[in-house]
Amino acid sequence: GAGVSQSPSNKVTEKGKDVELRCDPISGHTALYWYRQSLGQGLEFLIYFQGNSAPDKSGLPSDRFSAERTGGSVSTLTIQRTQQEDSAVYLCASSLTNTEAFFGQGTRLTVV
Amino acid sequence: AQSVTQLDSQVPVFEEAPVELRCNYSSSVSVYLFWYVQYPNQGLQLLLKYLSGSTLVKGINGFEAEFNKSQTSFHLRKPSVHISDTAEYFCAVSLQGAQKLVFGQGTRLTINP
Repeated sequence: GAGVSQSPSNKVTEKGKDVELRCDPISGHTALYWYRQSLGQGLEFLIYFQGNSAPDKSGLPSDRFSAERTGGSVSTLTIQRTQQEDSAVYLCASSLTNTEAFFGQGTRLTVV
Repeated sequence: AQSVTQLDSQVPVFEEAPVELRCNYSSSVSVYLFWYVQYPNQGLQLLLKYLSGSTLVKGINGFEAEFNKSQTSFHLRKPSVHISDTAEYFCAVSLQGAQKLVFGQGTRLTINP
């Protein structure tokens, strides 16, 4: 597709389970970002990949969160031992330059 | 590190009235500035951006923003709003030469008939 694709669109999981969220960036975009959007909290930066450089993981809230980007394209955000405070919308974005980022529709994660 | 402050969490206005959504940033170096809009249950869409040049930037849907370096502001304006403008608006900044976008907390714009 032409845009950033995220899957699943919705995910309900039990507390303590692991979840994987997927992001397919726009083809050719070298940069990929993950953000978390919680109610009333704005957009919280999680992690940023740029080409083959080491990712900027400064926004990951705990060691339960990790992300990888295989082959410079698809990215997976993994949350281990989910907790209720992890409930949020997780947004992925990609860009070719630092002048515009394109966002996916997000994955709404609910931890029950 | 750079940061962004959106001064109003909610702004209610009547249809066809003008609106201004305020955004201030802090950075010790030159920045790029952005406004994104998020319609209900959708992702973020770029409204406009300031990279360099003219400080008055025009975007989609009749919105414009003015970069004021001395006041470190990038307020978003529209002279006459429509019901369809009801959405959440996010101001964002990135350092020139870097790509990490830092967002404000968002402003929920509600248009009343």
